[in-house]
Amino acid sequence: LAKTTQPISMDSYEGQEVNITCSHNNIATNDYITWYQQFPSQGPRFIIQGYKTKVTNEVASLFIPADRKSSTLSLPRVSLSDTAVYYCLVGDRLTGGGNKLTFGTGTQLKVEL
Amino acid sequence: SQTIHQWPATLVQPVGSPLSLECTVEGTSNPNLYWYRQAAGRGLQLLFYSVGIGQISSEVPQNLSASRPQDRQFILSSKKLLLSDSGFYLCAWTGGRNTEAFFGQGTRLTVV
Repeated sequence: LAKTTQPISMDSYEGQEVNITCSHNNIATNDYITWYQQFPSQGPRFIIQGYKTKVTNEVASLFIPADRKSSTLSLPRVSLSDTAVYYCLVGDRLTGGGNKLTFGTGTQLKVEL
Repeated sequence: SQTIHQWPATLVQPVGSPLSLECTVEGTSNPNLYWYRQAAGRGLQLLFYSVGIGQISSEVPQNLSASRPQDRQFILSSKKLLLSDSGFYLCAWTGGRNTEAFFGQGTRLTVV
């Protein structure tokens, strides 16, 4: 079971780049790293997933060092609407396919003007 | 396209009453299904997950149970609700390992 550790909270201002780091020291060889975003009273929403090095999509980048024991979600030029809780998930395979999807405590990002 | 339906959106139930929350998925087959509970200001607690019909795994021993009577239907139940069962319940599905998870709109349950 690959447990994740994230900062409880982070503060930023509009227009800044935000980097949220997640530690997952026990990540297994075949595990991917996935990040979700959650707004109050809504279910989490997929942001990005990666296995190694760097992955970029229209909303974020994910940086994964060679040892894969941590990962960093990078949000470029955040706005007020990026205020949310961000979760990092890794591995936790299920027999028969799929992942168990165990969420940690997440990181509460607060963006101010 | 795939969609997930969860209902009701809100529910107020007295202590000791039964509970049944239903979740259905459309547009896919053999999904992995999940039930979560989120207390106010807290993270998501995985309650149950299922990789197939009739296959239920429980994460936390509690006053709740889950069933999967059909491939794309996942039901969360309780025979007698407790005050501590209050929270935001979310259903989710994935298509397989390392695939994106999709969540329902959630049910806000208040036990009074």
